[in-house]
Amino acid sequence: KQEVTQIPAALSVPEGENLVLNCSFTDSAIYNLQWFRQDPGKGLTSLLLIQSSQREQTSGRLNASLDKSSGRSTLYIAASQPGDSATYLCAVRARTASKLTFGTGTRLQVTL
Amino acid sequence: GAVVSQHPSRVICKSGTSVKIECRSLDFQATTMFWYRQFPKQSLMLMATSNEGSKATYEQGVEKDKFLINHASLTLSTLTVTSAHPEDSSFYICSARRDREDEQYFGPGTRLTVT
Repeated sequence: KQEVTQIPAALSVPEGENLVLNCSFTDSAIYNLQWFRQDPGKGLTSLLLIQSSQREQTSGRLNASLDKSSGRSTLYIAASQPGDSATYLCAVRARTASKLTFGTGTRLQVTL
Repeated sequence: GAVVSQHPSRVICKSGTSVKIECRSLDFQATTMFWYRQFPKQSLMLMATSNEGSKATYEQGVEKDKFLINHASLTLSTLTVTSAHPEDSSFYICSARRDREDEQYFGPGTRLTVT
């Protein structure tokens, strides 16, 4: 059974800092991995999707990497802003299944 | 493109009643839709997967007679919570996908409160 863990559970940084969020998964037979953002009481916003054959994806100040063999992904956020404050979730899709398994999330707060 | 809506966004109902939540793909046809629930400060847990025109596949521990899912068309899936109980209070999120190679697109969620 796939298990997805995110570290840290919560993080507070001052504005302007670069930061890294971590995601680990137990079964490396994945189809893809996706990073989402969730604001309080809201749905999910997809940030980046990495296919199993890819090593990284970039969008603006965000960069996500994937090391399938070690079961790890990182989300790098450059020059953080207060508007980046949210919960970040990673989700893994198994190669043999349709469903996503979500991580436990990292609650990020960027302070002025 | 790839917008998913949910209705209602919030609903309050009394114990013992049933409540229906709709999930619609607005600008694409979704062969598969997924229903998740999320408790406060916890992650999303998949409840069931539904393919258009066939019965939903429920995850272990999810009561199919309590959470009725209907995926009658390629743009609409409904989740009906029957005989609602306060423990059913949660945030319900749906997602939709065009085909097996596609990613899931998520709706904005429905906050259900059972009093």
